[in-house]
Amino acid sequence: DGGITQSPKYLFRKEGQNVTLSCEQNLNHDAMYWYRQDPGQGLRLIYYSQIVNDFQKGDIAEGYSVSREKKESFPLTVTSAQKNPTAFYLCASSGASGRAVEADTQYFGPGTRLTVL
Amino acid sequence: SQQGEEDPQALSIQEGENATMNCSYKTSINNLQWYRQNSGRGLVHLILIRSNEREKHSGRLRVTLDTSKKSSSLLITASRAADTASYFCATDSRGQGGSEKLVFGKGTKLTVNP
Repeated sequence: DGGITQSPKYLFRKEGQNVTLSCEQNLNHDAMYWYRQDPGQGLRLIYYSQIVNDFQKGDIAEGYSVSREKKESFPLTVTSAQKNPTAFYLCASSGASGRAVEADTQYFGPGTRLTVL
Repeated sequence: SQQGEEDPQALSIQEGENATMNCSYKTSINNLQWYRQNSGRGLVHLILIRSNEREKHSGRLRVTLDTSKKSSSLLITASRAADTASYFCATDSRGQGGSEKLVFGKGTKLTVNP
């Protein structure tokens, strides 16, 4: 049963705490992405990774960190430096690698809703 | 940096009617993609149209692309209540190191009334 999973579905954080959101895929995709979605808004790119052990900042990377130690996994840490972290976080993957000449179709996980208390 | 902009922001129609959503973008693209999002869920890919294509069909979906006007439209024919969702266009954008990434618009919220 192939796909992309995110956990937890809901996450509550106290101010000043770091939290890590999980994203796992078994689609054998090279590229993985993290997006943030605020109510009534589109998706904004936080970080993306085209290959293991490499990642690039997206449009809103401040206050976030990632790692890509395994092809299947791309966890996102929301640090205390992120001033307004309450949002819906979406992870995606695609088959495109750094050799792609155009963006490939992206497959999304179900999302994690993070609320800061 | 948001490239695609959907229009209208919200659309309410009756079941059986057609729904048309538009997307405009600013810079040259390799392809344009449409995605659907049910409330509180992840996005699902609907269709990809390349810059050298003008029209593409998939079931009840029809997508057109006009690169001279930098615009695309998504038509859903004979709509059903289950089509109620937000629809996003996404355009590809060259990022660091030559890698490609998608830039999403803010979406059109479609409501299909039974």
